[in-house]
Amino acid sequence: EVQLEQSGTEVKKPGESLKISCKASGYNFANYWIGWVRQMSGKGLEWMGIIYPGDSETTYSPSFQDQVTISADKSLSTAYLQWSSLKASDSAMYYCVRRTFTAAAGIEYNWLDPWGQGTLVTVSS
Amino acid sequence: DIQMTQSPSSMSASVGDRVTITCRASQRLGNYLNWYQQKPGKAPEVLMYGAFNLPGGVPSRFSGSGSGTDYTLTISSLHPEDFATYYCQQSYSTPYTFGQGTKLEIK
Repeated sequence: EVQLEQSGTEVKKPGESLKISCKASGYNFANYWIGWVRQMSGKGLEWMGIIYPGDSETTYSPSFQDQVTISADKSLSTAYLQWSSLKASDSAMYYCVRRTFTAAAGIEYNWLDPWGQGTLVTVSS
Repeated sequence: DIQMTQSPSSMSASVGDRVTITCRASQRLGNYLNWYQQKPGKAPEVLMYGAFNLPGGVPSRFSGSGSGTDYTLTISSLHPEDFATYYCQQSYSTPYTFGQGTKLEIK
């Protein structure tokens, strides 16, 4: 079974650093893009960025560029999302997702599945 | 970035009703449009990919249609477990943007 297991709830102070993780199992981690999605309390889903663990190619949403760093360790089948200096506005649920794809008749569709269970980050003084 | 606009933002319906949710993109998507269902306190789950393809395990009462910039998700007959929030997402190009969500509540 393909699964993404995320690290646990974090409570931090403004200015602190943080690195949360997403461990994959049940498939070849290096061959599928892994993305991160933010959901602030009571709000919608926001795309943050995505990494290809095979070669660590990474793209960020402009809204999150320079705000976070996405990385991956193939040897551990784990992707990471990190902040160097947290702000209260970073308080949210963060989900990792696998970019799953299928190809037929020359068309490759992709979608996000599975999703990790989410990591709740609270930043408060 | 491609902007995604869903309508309505919220709606109420009864068990057995037929419901349609619409998603409009700021540019043509070539059917690179996915739908997700999110229940309170849970991670989203994929409901539809490539505009009208059902992943295994998704009930056939869910269907998708559309082309170009306009897409719809239809639930033919609401079941109690369908009351949730639904999101569209374009997978045409990064950043993969989402619609703002449609909250489907019990009338």
